[in-house]
Amino acid sequence: NAGVTQTPKFQVLKTGQSMTLQCAQDMNHEYMSWYRQDPGMGLRLIHYSVGAGITDQGEVPNGYNVSRSTTEDFPLRLLSAAPSQTSVYFCASKLDRMNTEAFFGQGTRLTVV
Amino acid sequence: AQTVTQSQPEMSVQEAETVTLSCTYDTSESNYYLFWYKQPPSRQMILVIRQEAYKQQNATENRFSVNFQKAAKSFSLKISDSQLGDTAMYFCAFMYSGGSNYKLTFGKGTLLTVNP
Repeated sequence: NAGVTQTPKFQVLKTGQSMTLQCAQDMNHEYMSWYRQDPGMGLRLIHYSVGAGITDQGEVPNGYNVSRSTTEDFPLRLLSAAPSQTSVYFCASKLDRMNTEAFFGQGTRLTVV
Repeated sequence: AQTVTQSQPEMSVQEAETVTLSCTYDTSESNYYLFWYKQPPSRQMILVIRQEAYKQQNATENRFSVNFQKAAKSFSLKISDSQLGDTAMYFCAFMYSGGSNYKLTFGKGTLLTVNP
């Protein structure tokens, strides 16, 4: 059971570069989300999806795009990286609206220089 | 919007002793879920315990138990017989049970160190 898989685990970007953080789950979960974790801030929701083709913004969506073309994958795109996007990024999934247990990937540590 | 507050940024405890981590939250909803997540140095987020707001009985999972006070909007985590492997960041989190339950709202975390 792979669960929720995030790639890469570590990444260094230069300001202005773009990249995509990958997230895949093999549990047929409807709900998927991206969070960022900053020191002293806990985890904050960036974007979420309640099913293939359906996405919406969370608390801190600026500078990020998402799409959900399949149930399994939910990539997060940084369009033009900024130092303020230096953070640890977590992808999470849960089965559906009736279930509460969220499963997290192992995180991606992103540094923008 | 709901908020979750963890007022203890850091705590320490001796191995085999008991420690309690505090969490308060604010919401106008009556149906929701509360969680404690553990994040060890490996960075993995691990669900420790879950409480349904409609249940008066406090949840327990082995050495972990909660004190859920709905009227006071308080949700503390008690760790008994602390072990070195309990050293981690602990996050309190909130989720609505209704249509907005796509989202977990987290506190800022409490870093717990278990000393030998």
